[in-house]
Amino acid sequence: DQQVKQNSPSLSVQEGRISILNCDYTNSMFDYFLWYKKYPAEGPTFLISISSIKDKNEDGRFTVFLNKSAKHLSLHIVPSQPGDSAVYFCAASASGGTSYGKLTFGQGTILTVHP
Amino acid sequence: KAGVTQTPRYLIKTRGQQVTLSCSPISGHRSVSWYQQTPGQGLQFLFEYFSETQRNKGNFPGRFSGRQFSNSRSEMNVSTLELGDSALYLCASSPTSGGDYNEQFFGPGTRLTVL
Repeated sequence: DQQVKQNSPSLSVQEGRISILNCDYTNSMFDYFLWYKKYPAEGPTFLISISSIKDKNEDGRFTVFLNKSAKHLSLHIVPSQPGDSAVYFCAASASGGTSYGKLTFGQGTILTVHP
Repeated sequence: KAGVTQTPRYLIKTRGQQVTLSCSPISGHRSVSWYQQTPGQGLQFLFEYFSETQRNKGNFPGRFSGRQFSNSRSEMNVSTLELGDSALYLCASSPTSGGDYNEQFFGPGTRLTVL
């Protein structure tokens, strides 16, 4: 049972345009969400996060939107740059003792930004 | 601050052998989580340690074990290796205990190949 889903395996965007990566979750206990970027042969790099008490968080070119009723979040990158080309993972966590230190990841979306 | 370090970076073992992987968290971080990444299953949570105690465990067989030392460094061990254990093993550290909303910061991973 995949509790975090990224339904688009890949996304191709022109440099300077907006990239929108989507993520859906099923577990209503999730209350904290994160986006990571990963290059081959490297560990994931933290990008941005959002708590369930918010519906938007912005950091520079990156904005994450959370729609709790739809159990959906998205990452917007504006403007997109070739260096953004990587695999993007959505992750979720729940507070509470049985969830210590555990992130549940989606399968990832490969973003390619063309010059 | 130095990031999360993992050793070794690459490892080749044969079936039936055992292996120990090491992780040094970011200075001051007390929580260490381990993940397995494979093409088929994605990023899967193995376990989490805090103050030398395992507080959470994922759905992996008992062949997978770990420990944490008083300086927060952590090791994971896989005994009786199987071909399916070939994966990228990632360690992540976090500044505080679970229940708080904290990002996890990942190391570069150890690529284990079982022949």
